[in-house]
Amino acid sequence: DTEVTQTPKHLVMGMTNKKSLKCEQHMGHRAMYWYKQKAKKPPELMFVYSYEKLSINESVPSRFSPECPNSSLLNLHLHALQPEDSALYLCASSQTTGSNYGYTFGSGTRLTVV
Amino acid sequence: GENVEQHPSTLSVQEGDSAVIKCTYSDSASNYFPWYKQELGKRPQLIIDIRSNVGEKKDQRIAVTLNKTAKHFSLHITETQPEDSAVYFCAATSNNAGNMLTFGGGTRLMVKP
Repeated sequence: DTEVTQTPKHLVMGMTNKKSLKCEQHMGHRAMYWYKQKAKKPPELMFVYSYEKLSINESVPSRFSPECPNSSLLNLHLHALQPEDSALYLCASSQTTGSNYGYTFGSGTRLTVV
Repeated sequence: GENVEQHPSTLSVQEGDSAVIKCTYSDSASNYFPWYKQELGKRPQLIIDIRSNVGEKKDQRIAVTLNKTAKHFSLHITETQPEDSAVYFCAATSNNAGNMLTFGGGTRLMVKP
């Protein structure tokens, strides 16, 4: 399996809702990432997990809460989002954070906050 | 931290022509330079990469060159085809920065049939 799988593919949520994005990989990668991508812009790093521990939080608002239950799964819990949070949320993984390997990206969740 | 600049932001070529996209980086410790292709509504996909101990790498119609002294690297696509139309992102990473990808701003490549 050489893929990163993200669910759901599309999500529409109200500003008072609570939802979760899920990401799964079975490549044995020990680094996993959440990126946010706005239209016509490059992906922006949000969080990095290394060996299931949060290693980087790029000053992301607390309404985004990441979780790494095990080495294959990464979640992003969403609560009280704003319309400007509407974007494509990409999960990625790589072998480790300590060596330079290419990232494998998931197909993303297109999130719309209404 | 690392800063990656990418040019041009849009590029239109005729089918069969070559396309060149250029990136510069600021951190001399950066040592890995991947290129991603992102089609509309799809994920970024790694198409080629180069490490700092290599000056050039080629894979069929795609090549990447790296000039460490000048801190710039380029993507070359020859014999372009309409299916090459996409947004291309360069990126740089450094072991010093924990292998975090810093992306360039992207180039929208349009190949006209």
